[in-house]
Amino acid sequence: QKEVEQNSGPLSVPEGAIASLNCTYSDRGSQSFFWYRQYSGKSPELIMFIYSNGDKEDGRFTAQLNKASQYVSLLIRDSQPSDSATYLCAVRPSFNKFYFGSGTKLNVKP
Amino acid sequence: DAGVTQSPTHLIKTRGQQVTLRCSPKSGHDTVSWYQQALGQGPQFIFQYYEEEERQRGNFPDRFSGHQFPNYSSELNVNALLLGDSALYLCASSLWASGRDDNEQFFGPGTRLTVL
Repeated sequence: QKEVEQNSGPLSVPEGAIASLNCTYSDRGSQSFFWYRQYSGKSPELIMFIYSNGDKEDGRFTAQLNKASQYVSLLIRDSQPSDSATYLCAVRPSFNKFYFGSGTKLNVKP
Repeated sequence: DAGVTQSPTHLIKTRGQQVTLRCSPKSGHDTVSWYQQALGQGPQFIFQYYEEEERQRGNFPDRFSGHQFPNYSSELNVNALLLGDSALYLCASSLWASGRDDNEQFFGPGTRLTVL
């Protein structure tokens, strides 16, 4: 079992819609969770992190965490074509150690 | 505020050769982690350096080695290159701070290594 699982996609949504990206993790002791965006040929860029159960909002992005279900998600409201990228979920199961999922490719159609 | 820098940007080597990749962390950061990202995959953790010592290591063979310098910069060395070593090598910097849930990693632009 992989430490972090993501649906590879592609996930296609029309411009202006809400994109929902999901991630599950195996280590129940994981402490914090990160979402990165990666454009083709570029390095990952941190979008946001969450470490408490519930929702955390930052602009058009909302991260949701449910530690009991070992599930973390990212919602992108009012999706734009510029949001088209691969979204990586990263989990920090212990001090200074990070595991990444393989990413979900998002396509936002104009 | 300088971000994470890596050099070189691209590198082409042949099987059996050795390669050295370099990374300078973000200003104020003291921990450097190295990742290998194959095409279509997420970053795979290679190892992490803090205070010039390897602190954690992922599931990579001994052909992969590293070093951290007193100024926190780091090198990744790969010996006896294989075709399967072709990937994007990413350096990430962070702050070694126990108990901080928001300890973030910031990535450099990466080095694209092609092994022929």
